[in-house]
Amino acid sequence: QKEVEQDPGPLSVPEGAIVSLNCTYSNSAFQYFMWYRQYSRKGPELLMYTYSSGNKEDGRFTAQVDKSSKYISLFIRDSQPSDSATYLCAMSHQAGTALIFGKGTTLSVSS
Amino acid sequence: DAGVTQSPTHLIKTRGQHVTLRCSPISGHKSVSWYQQVLGQGPQFIFQYYEKEERGRGNFPDRFSARQFPNYSSELNVNALLLGDSALYLCASSFGGGAGETQYFGPGTRLLVL
Repeated sequence: QKEVEQDPGPLSVPEGAIVSLNCTYSNSAFQYFMWYRQYSRKGPELLMYTYSSGNKEDGRFTAQVDKSSKYISLFIRDSQPSDSATYLCAMSHQAGTALIFGKGTTLSVSS
Repeated sequence: DAGVTQSPTHLIKTRGQHVTLRCSPISGHKSVSWYQQVLGQGPQFIFQYYEKEERGRGNFPDRFSARQFPNYSSELNVNALLLGDSALYLCASSFGGGAGETQYFGPGTRLLVL
Protein backbone atom coordinates (compact mmCIF):
# COMPACT_ATOMS: atom_id res chain seq x y z
CA GLN A 1 0.00 0.00 0.00
CA LYS A 2 1.35 3.41 -0.96
CA GLU A 3 1.65 5.98 1.82
CA VAL A 4 -0.60 8.45 -0.02
CA GLU A 5 -3.38 7.42 -2.40
CA GLN A 6 -5.02 9.83 -4.82
CA ASP A 7 -7.40 9.06 -7.67
CA PRO A 8 -5.65 10.31 -10.84
CA GLY A 9 -8.93 11.01 -12.67
CA PRO A 10 -9.23 12.65 -15.12
CA LEU A 11 -12.10 14.68 -13.73
CA SER A 12 -14.16 16.83 -16.12
CA VAL A 13 -16.70 19.37 -14.87
CA PRO A 14 -18.61 22.32 -16.36
CA GLU A 15 -17.76 25.87 -15.37
CA GLY A 16 -19.37 26.85 -12.07
CA ALA A 17 -19.43 23.32 -10.64
CA ILE A 18 -18.22 22.40 -7.17
CA VAL A 19 -15.19 20.12 -7.35
CA SER A 20 -14.15 17.67 -4.65
CA LEU A 21 -10.63 16.21 -4.66
CA ASN A 22 -9.50 13.63 -2.12
CA CYS A 23 -6.51 11.76 -0.76
CA THR A 24 -6.15 8.99 1.78
CA TYR A 25 -3.00 8.14 3.65
CA SER A 26 -1.66 5.36 5.84
CA ASN A 27 0.98 7.03 8.04
CA SER A 28 -0.65 8.37 11.20
CA ALA A 29 2.47 10.45 11.91
CA PHE A 30 1.62 12.93 9.14
CA GLN A 31 0.89 16.34 10.65
CA TYR A 32 1.23 18.81 7.78
CA PHE A 33 -1.10 18.64 4.79
CA MET A 34 -0.84 20.59 1.57
CA TRP A 35 -2.52 20.93 -1.79
CA TYR A 36 -0.43 21.98 -4.76
CA ARG A 37 -1.67 22.95 -8.22
CA GLN A 38 0.48 22.08 -11.21
CA TYR A 39 -0.16 23.44 -14.67
CA SER A 40 1.17 21.51 -17.64
CA ARG A 41 4.97 21.68 -17.90
CA LYS A 42 5.26 23.87 -14.78
CA GLY A 43 6.37 23.34 -11.19
CA PRO A 44 3.81 22.76 -8.39
CA GLU A 45 2.33 25.89 -6.78
CA LEU A 46 1.14 25.80 -3.17
CA LEU A 47 -2.63 26.32 -2.86
CA MET A 48 -3.55 25.34 0.68
CA TYR A 49 -1.68 24.38 3.84
CA THR A 50 -3.21 22.82 6.95
CA TYR A 51 -1.62 21.72 10.19
CA SER A 52 -3.25 18.72 11.87
CA SER A 53 -7.04 18.33 11.64
CA GLY A 54 -9.64 20.88 10.67
CA ASN A 55 -10.84 23.08 7.87
CA LYS A 56 -9.23 26.02 6.11
CA GLU A 57 -10.86 28.33 3.61
CA ASP A 58 -9.23 30.69 1.12
CA GLY A 59 -11.50 32.29 -1.44
CA ARG A 60 -13.06 29.58 -3.58
CA PHE A 61 -10.89 26.87 -2.02
CA THR A 62 -11.55 24.87 1.16
CA ALA A 63 -9.20 22.24 2.56
CA GLN A 64 -10.36 19.65 5.08
CA VAL A 65 -8.29 17.21 7.11
CA ASP A 66 -9.80 14.28 9.01
CA LYS A 67 -6.94 12.59 10.83
CA SER A 68 -9.19 9.97 12.42
CA SER A 69 -10.10 8.70 8.96
CA LYS A 70 -6.70 9.54 7.41
CA TYR A 71 -8.53 11.48 4.71
CA ILE A 72 -8.00 14.95 3.26
CA SER A 73 -10.10 16.89 0.78
CA LEU A 74 -9.92 20.01 -1.36
CA PHE A 75 -13.14 21.68 -2.48
CA ILE A 76 -13.24 24.22 -5.29
CA ARG A 77 -16.39 26.33 -5.54
CA ASP A 78 -17.54 28.07 -8.72
CA SER A 79 -14.87 26.30 -10.76
CA GLN A 80 -13.32 28.22 -13.66
CA PRO A 81 -11.56 27.07 -16.85
CA SER A 82 -8.37 28.53 -15.34
CA ASP A 83 -8.66 25.88 -12.58
CA SER A 84 -7.87 23.20 -15.18
CA ALA A 85 -4.64 21.65 -13.88
CA THR A 86 -3.30 18.70 -11.92
CA TYR A 87 -3.92 18.89 -8.17
CA LEU A 88 -1.40 17.17 -5.93
CA CYS A 89 -1.93 16.41 -2.27
CA ALA A 90 1.22 16.33 -0.16
CA MET A 91 1.99 15.67 3.48
CA SER A 92 4.86 15.45 5.93
CA HIS A 93 5.38 14.51 9.56
CA GLN A 94 6.91 16.28 12.52
CA ALA A 95 10.29 14.64 12.30
CA GLY A 96 10.73 14.76 8.57
CA THR A 97 10.79 17.51 6.04
CA ALA A 98 10.32 15.45 2.89
CA LEU A 99 6.96 15.95 1.26
CA ILE A 100 5.12 12.76 0.33
CA PHE A 101 2.89 13.36 -2.67
CA GLY A 102 -0.12 11.64 -4.14
CA LYS A 103 -0.18 10.85 -7.86
CA GLY A 104 -2.19 13.96 -8.63
CA THR A 105 -5.72 14.39 -10.01
CA THR A 106 -6.10 15.98 -13.44
CA LEU A 107 -9.03 18.40 -13.52
CA SER A 108 -10.59 19.91 -16.65
CA VAL A 109 -13.19 22.69 -16.33
CA SER A 110 -15.08 23.41 -19.54
CA SER A 111 -16.72 26.76 -20.32
CA ASP B 1 11.28 38.95 -6.01
CA ALA B 2 12.55 36.08 -8.08
CA GLY B 3 11.23 32.66 -7.23
CA VAL B 4 13.18 29.43 -7.38
CA THR B 5 15.14 29.21 -10.60
CA GLN B 6 16.45 26.06 -12.26
CA SER B 7 18.72 25.42 -15.19
CA PRO B 8 18.68 24.12 -17.79
CA THR B 9 14.95 24.03 -18.57
CA HIS B 10 15.31 20.82 -20.51
CA LEU B 11 18.01 18.55 -21.85
CA ILE B 12 18.52 15.30 -23.69
CA LYS B 13 21.16 12.75 -22.71
CA THR B 14 22.00 9.20 -23.70
CA ARG B 15 22.23 6.17 -21.44
CA GLY B 16 25.42 6.02 -19.39
CA GLN B 17 26.07 9.75 -19.50
CA HIS B 18 26.27 12.09 -16.56
CA VAL B 19 24.07 15.14 -15.91
CA THR B 20 24.25 18.16 -13.58
CA LEU B 21 21.14 20.16 -12.74
CA ARG B 22 21.25 23.51 -10.98
CA CYS B 23 18.95 25.37 -8.62
CA SER B 24 18.92 28.81 -7.03
CA PRO B 25 16.58 29.19 -4.05
CA ILE B 26 14.45 32.16 -3.17
CA SER B 27 16.56 34.94 -1.68
CA GLY B 28 16.88 34.39 2.08
CA HIS B 29 16.03 30.70 1.92
CA LYS B 30 18.71 28.40 3.24
CA SER B 31 17.25 24.99 2.45
CA VAL B 32 16.93 23.25 -0.90
CA SER B 33 15.17 19.97 -1.67
CA TRP B 34 15.20 17.94 -4.86
CA TYR B 35 12.32 15.87 -6.21
CA GLN B 36 11.88 13.61 -9.23
CA GLN B 37 8.53 13.61 -11.02
CA VAL B 38 7.99 10.84 -13.54
CA LEU B 39 5.19 11.43 -16.05
CA GLY B 40 1.81 10.69 -14.50
CA GLN B 41 3.18 10.47 -10.95
CA GLY B 42 3.58 12.83 -8.03
CA PRO B 43 7.03 14.19 -7.15
CA GLN B 44 9.32 11.86 -5.19
CA PHE B 45 11.78 13.19 -2.64
CA ILE B 46 15.46 12.76 -3.50
CA PHE B 47 17.50 15.02 -1.16
CA GLN B 48 17.28 17.92 1.24
CA TYR B 49 20.15 20.26 2.06
CA TYR B 50 20.37 22.92 4.73
CA GLU B 51 23.39 25.11 5.32
CA LYS B 52 25.43 22.89 2.96
CA GLU B 53 24.68 19.76 4.98
CA GLU B 54 22.55 16.84 3.77
CA ARG B 55 19.47 16.65 5.97
CA GLY B 56 17.53 13.91 4.28
CA ARG B 57 17.77 11.40 1.47
CA GLY B 58 15.00 9.53 -0.30
CA ASN B 59 15.05 6.04 -1.71
CA PHE B 60 17.31 6.69 -4.68
CA PRO B 61 20.50 4.86 -5.76
CA ASP B 62 23.99 6.20 -5.16
CA ARG B 63 24.12 7.37 -8.76
CA PHE B 64 22.24 10.40 -7.46
CA SER B 65 24.21 12.96 -5.48
CA ALA B 66 23.85 16.60 -4.61
CA ARG B 67 25.56 19.46 -2.90
CA GLN B 68 24.78 22.96 -1.67
CA PHE B 69 27.07 25.92 -2.04
CA PRO B 70 27.81 28.80 0.39
CA ASN B 71 25.30 31.00 -1.51
CA TYR B 72 22.66 28.27 -0.88
CA SER B 73 22.37 27.30 -4.54
CA SER B 74 22.47 23.59 -5.22
CA GLU B 75 23.45 21.01 -7.81
CA LEU B 76 21.94 17.59 -8.42
CA ASN B 77 24.21 15.11 -10.18
CA VAL B 78 23.13 11.86 -11.76
CA ASN B 79 25.73 9.37 -13.04
CA ALA B 80 25.35 6.45 -15.42
CA LEU B 81 21.98 7.62 -16.68
CA LEU B 82 19.25 5.04 -17.27
CA LEU B 83 16.16 5.36 -19.44
CA GLY B 84 14.11 5.37 -16.25
CA ASP B 85 15.80 8.58 -15.11
CA SER B 86 13.74 10.49 -17.69
CA ALA B 87 11.61 12.82 -15.59
CA LEU B 88 10.95 16.37 -14.46
CA TYR B 89 13.46 17.27 -11.74
CA LEU B 90 12.08 19.80 -9.31
CA CYS B 91 13.92 21.96 -6.83
CA ALA B 92 12.10 23.41 -3.83
CA SER B 93 13.36 25.98 -1.38
CA SER B 94 12.31 26.81 2.17
CA PHE B 95 13.60 29.25 4.76
CA GLY B 96 15.08 26.90 7.34
CA GLY B 97 14.11 23.47 6.12
CA GLY B 98 12.28 22.65 9.33
CA ALA B 99 9.29 20.35 9.72
CA GLY B 100 6.15 21.82 8.25
CA GLU B 101 7.86 24.72 6.49
CA THR B 102 6.35 25.71 3.19
CA GLN B 103 8.37 24.51 0.21
CA TYR B 104 8.31 26.64 -2.95
CA PHE B 105 8.98 24.83 -6.19
CA GLY B 106 10.85 25.94 -9.26
CA PRO B 107 9.69 25.24 -12.83
CA GLY B 108 11.80 22.09 -13.06
CA THR B 109 14.32 20.65 -15.48
CA ARG B 110 12.91 18.17 -17.94
CA LEU B 111 15.43 15.37 -18.59
CA LEU B 112 15.04 12.91 -21.42
CA VAL B 113 17.39 9.92 -21.53
CA LEU B 114 17.63 8.11 -24.86
